[in-house]
Amino acid sequence: SAVISQKPSRDICQRGTSLTIQCQVDSQVTMMFWYRQQPGQSLTLIATANQGSEATYESGFVIDKFPISRPNLTFSTLTVSNMSPEDSSIYLCSVGLAGGTYEQYFGPGTRLTVT
Amino acid sequence: AQSVTQPDIHITVSEGASLELRCNYSYGATPYLFWYVQSPGQGLQLLLKYFSGDTLVQGIKGFEAEFKRSQSSFNLRKPSVHWSDAAEYFCAVGLGGYQKVTFGTGTKLQVIP
Repeated sequence: SAVISQKPSRDICQRGTSLTIQCQVDSQVTMMFWYRQQPGQSLTLIATANQGSEATYESGFVIDKFPISRPNLTFSTLTVSNMSPEDSSIYLCSVGLAGGTYEQYFGPGTRLTVT
Repeated sequence: AQSVTQPDIHITVSEGASLELRCNYSYGATPYLFWYVQSPGQGLQLLLKYFSGDTLVQGIKGFEAEFKRSQSSFNLRKPSVHWSDAAEYFCAVGLGGYQKVTFGTGTKLQVIP
């Protein structure tokens, strides 16, 4: 398994601004994922961030809105840009274990409220 | 289309009673199967997983799940529920490229004294 931390744990932001969320892992991992969980909803994958390559975005998510960095094997950031109230969600990062088992471990999440 | 279904949005059980949460999937092949739990204000914790082999898998916190290929199901069970089990439970499946996982809509469990 892996221990994952996220910063900030929560934030309240004004519309039109941007917020960068950090995800730190206690071990080197190849695969990292960013999810959005809207209020009362399940998890939706935003993008896959593998070190050494550009992030791969899911349908409905674009790089201009959710730029992602993955500078090394233990760290990633997700930026939520030009925020609107519809971006109010919990944002979660996860890491995938090697071996092709689809097993993922999650950080505690960042609760974002946009006013 | 490939999908994961959790038919029960909300379940209420009495403390000490047994629990079964349902999960069905619709995939052409047998996927990797998972159950996660999310306590209020927390991230997701992996309860158990099925890859192959014995169809009854044991997880943490006294949970178990049974894979039934004929029913495309992976139901989560616990013989005796504790108040601390109140949380939201997500079934998830992994299949296809890039190690991506698809989550069900979740079942919120309420435990009453």
